[in-house]
Amino acid sequence: SQQGEEDPQALSIQEGENATMNCSYKTSINNLQWYRQNSGRGLVHLILIRSNEREKHSGRLRVTLDTSKKSSSLLITASRAADTASYFCATDQGAQKLVFGQGTRLTINP
Amino acid sequence: DTAVSQTPKYLVTQMGNDKSIKCEQNLGHDTMYWYKQDSKKFLKIMFSYNNKELIINETVPNRFSPKSPDKAHLNLHINSLELGDSAVYFCASSQNRPHESGELFFGEGSRLTVL
Repeated sequence: SQQGEEDPQALSIQEGENATMNCSYKTSINNLQWYRQNSGRGLVHLILIRSNEREKHSGRLRVTLDTSKKSSSLLITASRAADTASYFCATDQGAQKLVFGQGTRLTINP
Repeated sequence: DTAVSQTPKYLVTQMGNDKSIKCEQNLGHDTMYWYKQDSKKFLKIMFSYNNKELIINETVPNRFSPKSPDKAHLNLHINSLELGDSAVYFCASSQNRPHESGELFFGEGSRLTVL
């Protein structure tokens, strides 16, 4: 399978804690993207990191990329109830095709 | 204004019927996609079009026929519906650089239930 794999499949934490999700993939990539999906809604783009970048920040989000290990992580700091959603990584494997993983389901408990 | 809109949001139909889902984007993007999300949330690309030209066809059964009348529209027609076609179908668009996929903008999804 060419798809990425997220780990863990589900994560439940207390509000205010940090949440870390991991993504591993198998092929070389141009970039890796993270998306959020609230229940019953479409996916929303969060952040894009290119293959020549190692770390990127956007607000409370921090993404790292290790191309030697073919892995990425998404860190959400100071989590809020509104962060409850599924999070997907997607890899740009060329030919303008983004391949998605199966997602991590994140639950923030008040 | 909705950037990527798809209709209908819900579709319940019998096996063997034919149905269509429509998608429109007002972002001026060149590339549009159809993705299928199954009950386990696995999101799989089906088709992509760039300026009305088919770019990606991911071994989807030929009962599925996409049509792009112009670069702002990408419709999906499904013939002879089967139980396994039940899923949420997402339309998306992006403005890609040469050799690199940009961020995708998704519609809200069309939930298809085949009985």
